[in-house]
Amino acid sequence: NAGVMQNPRHLVRRRGQEARLRCSPMKGHSHVYWYRQLPEEGLKFMVYLQKENIIDESGMPKERFSAEFPKEGPSILRIQQVVRGDSAAYFCASSSETSNQPQHFGDGTRLSIL
Amino acid sequence: QKEVEQDPGPLSVPEGAIVSLNCTYSNSAFQYFMWYRQYSRKGPELLMYTYSSGNKEDGRFTAQVDKSSKYISLFIRDSQPSDSATYLCAMRGLTGGGNKLTFGTGTQLKVEL
Repeated sequence: NAGVMQNPRHLVRRRGQEARLRCSPMKGHSHVYWYRQLPEEGLKFMVYLQKENIIDESGMPKERFSAEFPKEGPSILRIQQVVRGDSAAYFCASSSETSNQPQHFGDGTRLSIL
Repeated sequence: QKEVEQDPGPLSVPEGAIVSLNCTYSNSAFQYFMWYRQYSRKGPELLMYTYSSGNKEDGRFTAQVDKSSKYISLFIRDSQPSDSATYLCAMRGLTGGGNKLTFGTGTQLKVEL
């Protein structure tokens, strides 16, 4: 499968725990984007990364959220001390190095906070 | 006011109908316009990707962009039950800080037999 791979597909955490969401981009893609989709709302941009660099994090909450895209391995979206309001579907997208190429999405991680 | 407005529907049409989906936007910096289809519990799937104003056709799908009116459309001809999904419009500016996509809230479409 050459598509964007996200895991886990479903993640349940209790309030105060940490959530780690992983994203492997499409083969040949070096740009990764994270979006969050709340019920009844559209997808909202969170962060844009290239290998070992955060390019745009203007959509990230100021606290508890962080993202990385290391030289080796998948991109990670990390949420510390989760709260009920973090329950959402988190989608990762990737694009190739050419700047005007479209973004292709994975099937998301659905995070539920108990 | 949201940067991108999209009627949430639901929109119900009979099989074989022509479907028209629309979005309006307020940010004149948007240059790239996309339509994604999203089935329940799945990720958005890219349908159409256009730059600036004009029309683009791909099979049963036609995308139109009118930048002067800040209005984009997606037409689906000969609609099928398998087209039942939520359709998301998305747009972005040029390179550099413009890579992030701004989405509409999506229109839910149901094509009935």
